[in-house]
Amino acid sequence: AQSVTQLDSHVSVSEGTPVLLRCNYSSSYSPSLFWYVQHPNKGLQLLLKYTSAATLVKGINGFEAEFKKSETSFHLTKPSAHMSDAAEYFCGFNTNAGKSTFGDGTTLTVKP
Amino acid sequence: ETGVTQTPRHLVMGMTNKKSLKCEQHLGHNAMYWYKQSAKKPLELMFVYSLEERVENNSVPSRFSPECPNSSHLFLHLHTLQPEDSALYLCASSQGLAGVGHVNEQFFGPGTRLTVL
Repeated sequence: AQSVTQLDSHVSVSEGTPVLLRCNYSSSYSPSLFWYVQHPNKGLQLLLKYTSAATLVKGINGFEAEFKKSETSFHLTKPSAHMSDAAEYFCGFNTNAGKSTFGDGTTLTVKP
Repeated sequence: ETGVTQTPRHLVMGMTNKKSLKCEQHLGHNAMYWYKQSAKKPLELMFVYSLEERVENNSVPSRFSPECPNSSHLFLHLHTLQPEDSALYLCASSQGLAGVGHVNEQFFGPGTRLTVL
């Protein structure tokens, strides 16, 4: 069965320090992975997506993620956190017929 | 209006009420989705419509009834709900369906916060 696991429910960083949000996947084939962000009282917004073209994927707002098949991981990183990055982040993947499966989410807190 | 809009933003209803949630997308997309987001639970896909035809019904109870009259509008009709149905209901749209090998970006509305008393 295919699944994603977000390893941390909460991550807290100081402004200006690196961000690492971890996501592992389980799939019998190369999955179509993505990261979405949800700010308070807003819908989800796509940060980046992986579709096997390149293992290092760059997204919006300075975020990037690296697909590591050997580790079955797709961790989200950012070199320097900004206060506006505080939000809920969701890792997930797509299957056929428009079906998207999301992880449980990671709440990112950024301290001044 | 731009993007995906949802009305109402907040809804409180009793278990015997009938209400409807409305979603409208102004992006020219041809696929629309309903998701349920509960506290402490992952986002759950409820329904998928492509070209106004339902292509996915993810074992959702019959007290939730979707309707897609055209490619720009999606409704979720609610009747005899239970308190555990209280959640944030998110609508999304995309151009084409997501599938293996391609991630068609979904654009989400802000959601309707539903409370069932």
